[in-house]
Amino acid sequence: NAGVTQTPKFQVLKTGQSMTLQCAQDMNHNSMYWYRQDPGMGLRLIYYSASEGTTDKGEVPNGYNVSRLNKREFSLRLESAAPSQTSVYFCASSEGLDRLVNYGYTFGSGTRLTVV
Amino acid sequence: AQTVTQSQPEMSVQEAETVTLSCTYDTSESDYYLFWYKQPPSRQMILVIRQEAYKQQNATENRFSVNFQKAAKSFSLKISDSQLGDAAMYFCAYRSRRRGGADGLTFGKGTHLIIQP
Repeated sequence: NAGVTQTPKFQVLKTGQSMTLQCAQDMNHNSMYWYRQDPGMGLRLIYYSASEGTTDKGEVPNGYNVSRLNKREFSLRLESAAPSQTSVYFCASSEGLDRLVNYGYTFGSGTRLTVV
Repeated sequence: AQTVTQSQPEMSVQEAETVTLSCTYDTSESDYYLFWYKQPPSRQMILVIRQEAYKQQNATENRFSVNFQKAAKSFSLKISDSQLGDAAMYFCAYRSRRRGGADGLTFGKGTHLIIQP
């Protein structure tokens, strides 16, 4: 099925460990995004990639790095995990406004990350 | 930077009744998009309805409609004939047209909607 695929769905890390969250989309979207969702905070943008080869910081980039591997894939890396990074992480992709079909975004199913 | 405010952390409504969720936003832009997303316990983000700022007519999608007041920067969601399946978190979101809309969505903190049977 077309959409955004995130892996893993669940992860528990110890403080200081590193890991990479993977995201892939098969809709030929130019733009991809990583958000984190915390209780009572809504979704906040961590990093985004407006097009292949570019990445930009969002609202809460500290402690994270990203790689736009190709047009399909956009990964999020935690180099040294901290308990404050316990959250649900969503990847999303979108068309540019000049090619909008639904004007919105397609979201992955999320990754629940716990740092102990 | 834009901000989106949802002032109701939680709302409760009887099944079959109508409920309105509030959203206000702050922006200096004149052209943008607004959305309501639904997030059930499955965590899936589901687009409910969208509104283009240049359109004066309020968007409707079956039982869902919006009241878009551009001058007041208000974008409320009305759910008519509430159903048990409507129970979820609802997020209001803003999309700029700047840089071709590539900068990402700005979300409110969400409203938890409870449907009483």
